[in-house]
Amino acid sequence: NAGVTQTPKFQVLKTGQSMTLQCAQDMNHEYMSWYRQDPGMGLRLIHYSVGAGITDQGEVPNGYNVSRSTTEDFPLRLLSAAPSQTSVYFCASRPGPGPYEQYFGPGTRLTVT
Amino acid sequence: DAKTTQPPSMDCAEGRAANLPCNHSTISGNEYVYWYRQIHSQGPQYIIHGLKNNETNEMASLIITEDRKSSTLILPHATLRDTAVYYCIFYGGATNKLIFGTGTLLAIQP
Repeated sequence: NAGVTQTPKFQVLKTGQSMTLQCAQDMNHEYMSWYRQDPGMGLRLIHYSVGAGITDQGEVPNGYNVSRSTTEDFPLRLLSAAPSQTSVYFCASRPGPGPYEQYFGPGTRLTVT
Repeated sequence: DAKTTQPPSMDCAEGRAANLPCNHSTISGNEYVYWYRQIHSQGPQYIIHGLKNNETNEMASLIITEDRKSSTLILPHATLRDTAVYYCIFYGGATNKLIFGTGTLLAIQP
């Protein structure tokens, strides 16, 4: 299993540009989440999904969209990038609603100028 | 949302046991305590979780107080590779969200 994969690893955007951060998992996990981590800070939940077709907001959802059309993929869209969205983005997955371990991807480092 | 309180930083000598405390006074009866760690800027790594009883695995031990309002993660023989930010989280009950706090930066001293 590749686990949780994220692309790209690094990205530089100009203010106002849009882009999609990709996340995929090959473990057939129901639950997937997106977090952002600013320098020196903990992780903050952006959006999460409890299954294909079902998504919900986390702590900091503004400026981001998600969709979950398949179990494997959970892309995060930045609609109009702002410097405040400069961060490291982590995708995670876990099997379901029980007390399971959550698996994290390696992260995408995004800089918005 | 669920909140935990951890010291921002701790030191421990290499080879000694590292004891990381966490307060979670608002935890409810069906919520689990989880510990993760993040080494440098990698994705967080699961360590251990528990509900009421103490738990042990190959990485660490988790001691939960009887009233479940606090817990301690124990790394029995800390090495330099254990230097990381350690996050205590609780999850379960009515929420599907795994919310992280700011964690404890554990520095292992040679």
